[in-house]
Amino acid sequence: EVRLLESGGDLVQPGGSLRLSCAASGFSFSNHGMSWVRQSPGKGLEWVSSISSNGGLTYYADCVKGRFTTSRDNSKNTLYLQMNSLRAEDTAVYYCAKIAVIAQWYFDLWGRGTLVTVSS
Amino acid sequence: EIVLTQSPGTLSLSPGERATLSCRASQSVSSSYLVWYQQKPGQAPRLLIYAASSRATGIPDRFSGSGSGTDFTLTISRLDPEDFAVYYCQQYGSSPPTFGQGTKVEIK
Repeated sequence: EVRLLESGGDLVQPGGSLRLSCAASGFSFSNHGMSWVRQSPGKGLEWVSSISSNGGLTYYADCVKGRFTTSRDNSKNTLYLQMNSLRAEDTAVYYCAKIAVIAQWYFDLWGRGTLVTVSS
Repeated sequence: EIVLTQSPGTLSLSPGERATLSCRASQSVSSSYLVWYQQKPGQAPRLLIYAASSRATGIPDRFSGSGSGTDFTLTISRLDPEDFAVYYCQQYGSSPPTFGQGTKVEIK
C-alpha cells in the first residue's frame, strides 16, 4: 500500500523544539521530492518546506526559515522536520506530502498528519 | 506571493446537483499550474485535478477543471453523497506554492 505516516507531534512550550518524522512505503521514496505542509484553523493550508529527492536541496517558507530544518534518510524511507524556536503561530497539523513531478510542487500523496501544539 | 481567493465559502447543494467552485489568483498563474484537492474531516487532502484541467489517477469523470491566467473553476457535474467535503485550490507556478482558503460543499 502506498502511504505516508507522520509522527512526533506533541504539546511543546514556546521556544521549544520538536522533530517530526514521516515514514514512506509503497513507492520509490528516493526518487521523489518531498514536502511539509501545515494546516491551522486561522491560516488554512500553508506550504512549509520542500526537499529534493537526494536531500541536496532544501527550500523553506519565510516564516520558518532559520528555525526549521528538513532532511531525509533514503535508506530508511523517512522524511524529517526539525523545528526549533517554536512559536504559538506554528500550532497546526503538519502533513508530509509527496511531490508529484520534479520541479512542480503539487502533491499527489499526503499523510494523515500529526498535531503540533505550541502553548505554555 | 500569489494569493488565491476561493468562492463561495460554502455551497449548499443536494445530491445529483451540479457544483461550480471558483478560484481566483492575485496574478497570473504560470503555465496553468493549478491543482484542486478534496479534504474530508479527519483526512488528508486528496489530489483531484492538476495542470488546471487534468484529472488525477482514479478520479471520477464527474470532476472537471478549467481556466487559465487568474480564473479557475472546479465543476462537479452531479454531486455524489461522497463528494460533500472541503475543496482547496493550490498554485505551483511560482514560489512559494500557495493555497486558497477552501470552499465547503455541504448537503442542503
